[in-house]
Amino acid sequence: DAGITQSPRHKVTETGTPVTLRCHQTENHRYMYWYRQDPGHGLRLIHYSYGVKDTDKGEVSDGYSVSRSKTEDFLLTLESATSSQTSVYFCAISDPPSGANVLTFGAGSRLTVL
Amino acid sequence: KQEVTQIPAALSVPEGENLVLNCSFTDSAIYNLQWFRQDPGKGLTSLLLIQSSQREQTSGRLNASLDKSSGRSTLYIAASQPGDSATYLCAVPSGGYQKVTFGTGTKLQVIP
Repeated sequence: DAGITQSPRHKVTETGTPVTLRCHQTENHRYMYWYRQDPGHGLRLIHYSYGVKDTDKGEVSDGYSVSRSKTEDFLLTLESATSSQTSVYFCAISDPPSGANVLTFGAGSRLTVL
Repeated sequence: KQEVTQIPAALSVPEGENLVLNCSFTDSAIYNLQWFRQDPGKGLTSLLLIQSSQREQTSGRLNASLDKSSGRSTLYIAASQPGDSATYLCAVPSGGYQKVTFGTGTKLQVIP
């Protein structure tokens, strides 16, 4: 998927446990995003980053935190997972100088919280 | 708040038919619109990006149009093929240059 790797691709966890999803890119793109996709809601932005250590909230950020210590890595953390966070999580990247806000997506991480 | 609607939610057509997918958005102050394709269990693939200064954008059998004043975009697929079966999503910027709002998609099935 065009230089974007998400890990893990599948995870099952229990309510109350911490979970970290990783997005790794080899494109050296400045912007990175985390979306969740749910039936009936489509894709919703959780957090995004516009540079190392620069992040901002999206529309569904409650219960999630992010970190970006290197250009290539963007981590999404669920401090205490809940069943409502069962979803498919997608990472995306973009590079405004070369392609406006054309988004390139990873393959997704399917998270199940029991 | 930008809201994006795609109708119909699902569409089934015989192979070879020309078809149109619709996308409506509430805030017409956009500077571009993207169409994506998503195959089951996969990520999204960008198909077309239309800048606000453009009315149409074409790629192969795909043609996307944008009418900002009416808050609408259409994706035209010519001579549909079974390989076109997928979910098609449109997306527009909202609340900032790098925030994008997606529609819920149209699931297309092309029957051989």
